[in-house]
Amino acid sequence: EVQLVQSGAEVKKPGDSLKISCRASGYSVSHYWVAWVRQMPGKGLEWMGIIYLHDSDTRYSPSFQGQVTISADPSVTTAYLQWSSLKPSDSAIYYCARVYVDVGPPISSHFDSWGQGTPVTVSS
Amino acid sequence: DIQMTQSPPSLSASVGDRVTITCQASQDINTYLNWYQQKPGTPPKLLIYDASALETGVPSRFSGRGSGTNFTFTITSLQPEDIATYHCQQFHNLSYIFGQGTKVEIK
Repeated sequence: EVQLVQSGAEVKKPGDSLKISCRASGYSVSHYWVAWVRQMPGKGLEWMGIIYLHDSDTRYSPSFQGQVTISADPSVTTAYLQWSSLKPSDSAIYYCARVYVDVGPPISSHFDSWGQGTPVTVSS
Repeated sequence: DIQMTQSPPSLSASVGDRVTITCQASQDINTYLNWYQQKPGTPPKLLIYDASALETGVPSRFSGRGSGTNFTFTITSLQPEDIATYHCQQFHNLSYIFGQGTKVEIK
């Protein structure tokens, strides 16, 4: 069974650092990327970036480039999302998702399995 | 960057009604368009990929169509368990953009 298990809820103060995790199991990580998605309170979904667990190849959304760091440890099939200095506006639920990619033709890509979400609250 | 415009932001319909949501891309995205369902307090769930392909296990009352810049998502007969927010998503060169979401409620 494909599973993406995320680390638990976090409560932090502005300026704190934070690293949350997403452990993948039940499939071959060499065949899939992992995405991170932000959902601010009462808002829609925002794609942050993706990482290939096998070799840590990473692509960022322009909106999040330089704001967060996405990394991976293939030995434990885990992806990470990291902040060096949190702001109150980083308060959100963060989801990881498995990314199916088929270069085809035709090309196909979608997020076919999701983690349970990690709520992050940043408040003084 | 490609922009996605999803409408309406919310809708209210009766059980058994036909519900349609649209998503418009700012440029041609072929059929690189997916639809997700998100129930309150849960992660999104893939329903439709490649504009019209039904994900395994998803009821046939859900469907999608379109190509290029205009896409539609339809629930042919709304059920109480379909109360959720629906999101479109486009992809291009390992870059992904979501629409603003449509909240579906029962009248």
